[in-house]
Amino acid sequence: EAGVVQSPRYKIIEKKQPVAFWCNPISGHNTLYWYRQNLGQGPELLIRYENEEAVDDSQLPKDRFSAERLKGVDSTLKIQPAELGDSAVYLCASSHDQLAYNEQFFGPGTRLTVL
Amino acid sequence: SQQGEEDPQALSIQEGENATMNCSYKTSINNLQWYRQNSGRGLVHLILIRSNEREKHSGRLRVTLDTSKKSSSLLITASRAADTASYFCATDARSQGAQKLVFGQGTRLTINP
Repeated sequence: EAGVVQSPRYKIIEKKQPVAFWCNPISGHNTLYWYRQNLGQGPELLIRYENEEAVDDSQLPKDRFSAERLKGVDSTLKIQPAELGDSAVYLCASSHDQLAYNEQFFGPGTRLTVL
Repeated sequence: SQQGEEDPQALSIQEGENATMNCSYKTSINNLQWYRQNSGRGLVHLILIRSNEREKHSGRLRVTLDTSKKSSSLLITASRAADTASYFCATDARSQGAQKLVFGQGTRLTINP
């Protein structure tokens, strides 16, 4: 069974540029999560999807961040414009059930560097 | 604010020794999970312990949970070089009406050959 796929693995951009991350969850997993992980810290939830519906986006900085999961499968997270403080690893995860506190399966992440 | 906090922040031991990491949390939970993250990789789920359980084993891993003290420990026995990684505890927390998984800042474990 393929795991959670993310691309790109690494991205270096200059501040004020836009950037997008893509995630394909494990087949059959209806719940998808985007996390941000700063250096030396644990992941922090940005947004959670149940199928195509964003059920928790309270931590998403909506002035510059947006996300979509149009067909309830893969998802895109966008930052526009990027700021220096956005440098982090962006992790996508999926889970089989809707209980947000059960086991989640993580992708390898996208390491973003904003110069 | 983070629900869970790991202790110590960093741990370095010799191969073959046991490693113990602790996690404390603030509010009542449904369960507590431990994840491992190798350098530059995503997180891998290790073990989940429910709030009504006190101890759980998985291979060389042993997890305990003390809900009265709001704490958990992860013991790795007979450590190997491949166990070098960061270990995170994660608990559920309710924020703005939504339940979510909240991670601590992790323990960086180094196994020396």
